[in-house]
Parts: sequence; structure tokens; C-alpha cells
Amino acid sequence: EPEVTQTPSHQVTQMGQEVILRCVPISNHLYFYWYRQILGQKVEFLVSFYNNEISEKSEIFDDQFSVERPDGSNFTLKIRSTKLEDSAMYFCASSRGTVINQPQHFGDGTRLSIL
Amino acid sequence: GQNIDQPTEMTATEGAIVQINCTYQTSGFNGLFWYQQHAGEAPTFLSYNVLDGLEEKGRFSSFLSRSKGYSYLLLKELQMKDSASYLCAVRDQYSGAGSYQLTFGKGTKLSVIP
Repeated sequence: EPEVTQTPSHQVTQMGQEVILRCVPISNHLYFYWYRQILGQKVEFLVSFYNNEISEKSEIFDDQFSVERPDGSNFTLKIRSTKLEDSAMYFCASSRGTVINQPQHFGDGTRLSIL
Repeated sequence: GQNIDQPTEMTATEGAIVQINCTYQTSGFNGLFWYQQHAGEAPTFLSYNVLDGLEEKGRFSSFLSRSKGYSYLLLKELQMKDSASYLCAVRDQYSGAGSYQLTFGKGTKLSVIP
């Protein structure tokens, strides 16, 4: 069964450094998402992406964050100047469409640790 | 605002039936989803409801009452591997921007004991 794949599985970065999290969505999916989950807390929506542009973003997704689809397969999340509070598990998700029976499928996540 | 409530933890016995409840108050509603999440892993899609009633899928069933803002996930014939967190998520109103976002509850950690 096709999967969403994310790399790296774990990223350790110094505060203030830039970090890029990478995702390969399921190949025939058209909608892409980033969520984060701080340890012990709920999964939170960051941003959705469709047709090469951001569709929606949450309050968390401020100017420090950006997303890009640099080629036909990858979908990246960049954090320009990381803060301690950015430490979390970051999940990429994709869906084929937006019809109810086309759910979002999640990758295994990247655990981001900011020192 | 968005508010989704689930019990924090539940314990059930192998072979038994367990019901995990979810109540929601959201600004819009376009479907409710249940995901399973094992510790340190990705949420895995289990089921969805958009109309009132029961949806059955093998050992898992999910129920929705839109007028009450209420859903439950029913797990039958519990197995040890069912020990995981179960996340209730609501899909909000379509914004016209081309996609939906999911708003998650904090999850219910289910422990299945022998």
C-alpha cells in the first residue's frame, strides 16, 4: 500500500538555525498538509497546500515557516530560525482529493529537537 | 472556536468491547474522522462519518449524531495490539481555498490488558 514518507526521522538543531523537513506524499495525491504534535499534546494543523500554493494556514504558521514543492514528488517544510518551542513531531499528510471518502494519510513524522 | 473532548485514558480487557466517546463544538462541520496512533508513530486512518448513524468496518464501528455534536468509536473483540491512542478529528467547513484542515482532540489512550 502506498505510504507518505518523511525524512529525516529525527533532526537535532541548534536554536536559531534553519531546518528543512522533507516529505514524499502518495504519488496520485493532490493535497498536502503539515501538522505538528508537541510531546503529550494534540495534533495541530499547520498548513495545507494545493495546486502549488498554500490553501490554508493556522496561527502557528507564521513568517518563520514556509512550504515548497520543489519538484514533482517532494513537499518540504522550512523553519527559518528555530526556537525551543518548535521542538515537536512534525507530520506530513496527503489526500487524493477533498471528498469525504478521501481521507488524509499521514507519514511517520520527523521528530525535531531544538537545543 | 474549536473544541473536541475525549476521555484521556481507558483500560479494557482483551476480547471485550470498548466505546470511546468524542464530543465536539466547532465553527463548521464537514465530517468526523477517527485515527489510531501507536506511541511514536503516525496517525492511521480508521473511519469517517459525515451523516448521522453507525458505520461499521470489521471490528471497528463509528457513530455520529450531528445534532448532539457526539461521536463514538466502538472496538470489538479487543486485541493487545489495539493498545494505542485513538484520535477524534473534525473536518471544518470548506473555506473555498481548496482543502480542509482537521482539528484533532487530545486523543484517548487505550490500554488493553490480558
